[in-house]
Amino acid sequence: GAVVSQHPSRVICKSGTSVKIECRSLDFQATTMFWYRQFPKQSLMLMATSNEGSKATYEQGVEKDKFLINHASLTLSTLTVTSAHPEDSSFYICSAAILAGGSTDTQYFGPGTRLTVL
Amino acid sequence: AQSVAQPEDQVNVAEGNPLTVKCTYSVSGNPYLFWYVQYPNRGLQFLLKYITGDNLVKGSYGFEAEFNKSQTSFHLKKPSALVSDSALYFCAVRDWYYGNNRLAFGKGNQVVVIP
Repeated sequence: GAVVSQHPSRVICKSGTSVKIECRSLDFQATTMFWYRQFPKQSLMLMATSNEGSKATYEQGVEKDKFLINHASLTLSTLTVTSAHPEDSSFYICSAAILAGGSTDTQYFGPGTRLTVL
Repeated sequence: AQSVAQPEDQVNVAEGNPLTVKCTYSVSGNPYLFWYVQYPNRGLQFLLKYITGDNLVKGSYGFEAEFNKSQTSFHLKKPSALVSDSALYFCAVRDWYYGNNRLAFGKGNQVVVIP
């Protein structure tokens, strides 16, 4: 149980294009999903918190117009990197918090998406 | 804000020896603590968590962690390390922020198990 998928696992795109990454909770409903960015050999940097049916909460320094987040259902959240540039190249990881008796204390992570912008 | 610290960058251990990965925390109130493991080019896998109750928490793959309130620590342990345990390990604490249970992660520890 508690499986989270991400698609695609790897994407290479040209500078200026937009890329959409999907995050799905496969066997549970997640009221909250989180989007992280990870640079090589570094910790995870939280980008935004996404609640189903409401606007995402972005961390300080994260451009909300650059990184569009949509959380349309309890099992799907998407991150769109708009007008991607080489500095956006990174490993993007999502997580989903299980809804269990009102507690959302455990996050389960997707396998990550490697974005390379040429 | 809540935070965790992982003081070591890399932990080297011989296969079959005990493995310890250190984590200390700084919180206001009761801590909710987590350990995750990350293999190369993969997402994080949940190992275990401490919410309340017994100070010794048992998790996946033979790992356990001991919550020590007086030392504000939550060290991850495994009695006998395997080569397959070589990975990046993250300690995390729940950080309540505008009603969302976000996690604050440590910098991570690279564990290398030597055959």
